Amino acid sequence: GGIITQTPKFLIGQEGQKLTLKCQQNFNHDTMYWYRQDSGKGLRLIYYSITENDLQKGDLSEGYDASREKKSSFSLTVTSAQKNEMAVFLCASSNPAGGNQAPLFGEGTRLSVL
Amino acid sequence: AQSVTQPDARVTVSEGASLQLRCKYSSSVTPYLFWYVQYPRQGLQLLLKYYSGDPVVQGVNGFEAEFSKSNSSFHLRKASVHWSDSAVYFCAVSMKAGGYKVVFGSGTRLLVSP
Repeated sequence: GGIITQTPKFLIGQEGQKLTLKCQQNFNHDTMYWYRQDSGKGLRLIYYSITENDLQKGDLSEGYDASREKKSSFSLTVTSAQKNEMAVFLCASSNPAGGNQAPLFGEGTRLSVL
Repeated sequence: AQSVTQPDARVTVSEGASLQLRCKYSSSVTPYLFWYVQYPRQGLQLLLKYYSGDPVVQGVNGFEAEFSKSNSSFHLRKASVHWSDSAVYFCAVSMKAGGYKVVFGSGTRLLVSP
């Protein structure tokens, strides 16, 4: 079976800092996603990527950059961390071309900004 | 653009009782539909998915969902809940026309009381 690995699991940053979150999948999936989940809330799509080197903005892309240089990896950068920001960032992947439209998720990266 | 509404933020049922969690979607064509479950401090796990065909789909752990095109709904059901079913449940929708962008509802927190 495959796995989606998100690093780091916990990330503590300073206000104004640029922070990078990484995601690796070994399913050989084409499509990858980044979502943000605030405490007790739903998931909001930040960026997704249909294939290597493709980037599509979600509803929450402002304040973030993303990069998909390899099929297996998808990174997300918080361009300027906001004071007291706390959220979980979830990475997911799917293989629509192979008939697997349902994303599979990693365990998440928990961000706290001091 | 597709969207998903989960009208019930919290649902409480007694152990052994039946369950229905509601999901309504908005889409110009029949989308791909999913239900996920999230246990505390974990990522999302796929419960079931609907692509086409029989409107009732079976999932893991005794869950099933019924697709209704006329009502634009995809409600989740379980005949008899267990305390371990306490979690947050998310409905999600995806469309090929949107590049398989996956949009989530706000979630329903289920509490199973003894």
